[in-house]
Amino acid sequence: DGGITQSPKYLFRKEGQNVTLSCEQNLNHDAMYWYRQDPGQGLRLIYYSQIVNDFQKGDIAEGYSVSREKKESFPLTVTSAQKNPTAFYLCASRLPGTAYQDYTFGSGTRLTVV
Amino acid sequence: AQSVTQLDSQVPVFEEAPVELRCNYSSSVSVYLFWYVQYPNQGLQLLLKYLSGSTLVKGINGFEAEFNKSQTSFHLRKPSVHISDTAEYFCAVSENQAGTALIFGKGTTLSVSS
Repeated sequence: DGGITQSPKYLFRKEGQNVTLSCEQNLNHDAMYWYRQDPGQGLRLIYYSQIVNDFQKGDIAEGYSVSREKKESFPLTVTSAQKNPTAFYLCASRLPGTAYQDYTFGSGTRLTVV
Repeated sequence: AQSVTQLDSQVPVFEEAPVELRCNYSSSVSVYLFWYVQYPNQGLQLLLKYLSGSTLVKGINGFEAEFNKSQTSFHLRKPSVHISDTAEYFCAVSENQAGTALIFGKGTTLSVSS
């Protein structure tokens, strides 16, 4: 079955460490997205990519980095510059160039700073 | 730029009662509108979407929503809720332009009790 896999489900980070969240899809979707979810804040866009080797900053990109070397993969790195990284992170994908298409979401990664 | 406002952060209801979750949006161009549901520690699942045509949209699990252009609203309704409808609900908007990302509201927590 096609879908999006996020790993790990839970991740603990020490202050000052970089960590990378994995997002893999086998839906043949070109467009992929990273959102951060905090209680009462909804989903806020971190980065998105419409095509391999290209990506754009979202509303809260500071302290995060991404790469898009393969169509199937869109990893998110939470750097030490992100001052408050504890949150639930969601990856999504959809067909490109189609604003009417809905997203397919992964199950999320819960990141906690210890 | 577009934005989404979900007017209620929490909605408590009794089982078998009707419910309405309110959503207003703002945009300078035509938009597509979506409602998603999220169960604890999971990704989001599409309930329904409005693209064009009939303003009353029917979705999964007995939910429906009505698009009102003059009121810039897209309220979600269900005539009789179940305990299993307890979840967080997100309204989202996408401008009618290729390459744009979904913008989400802050969410409404629906709590159904017996």
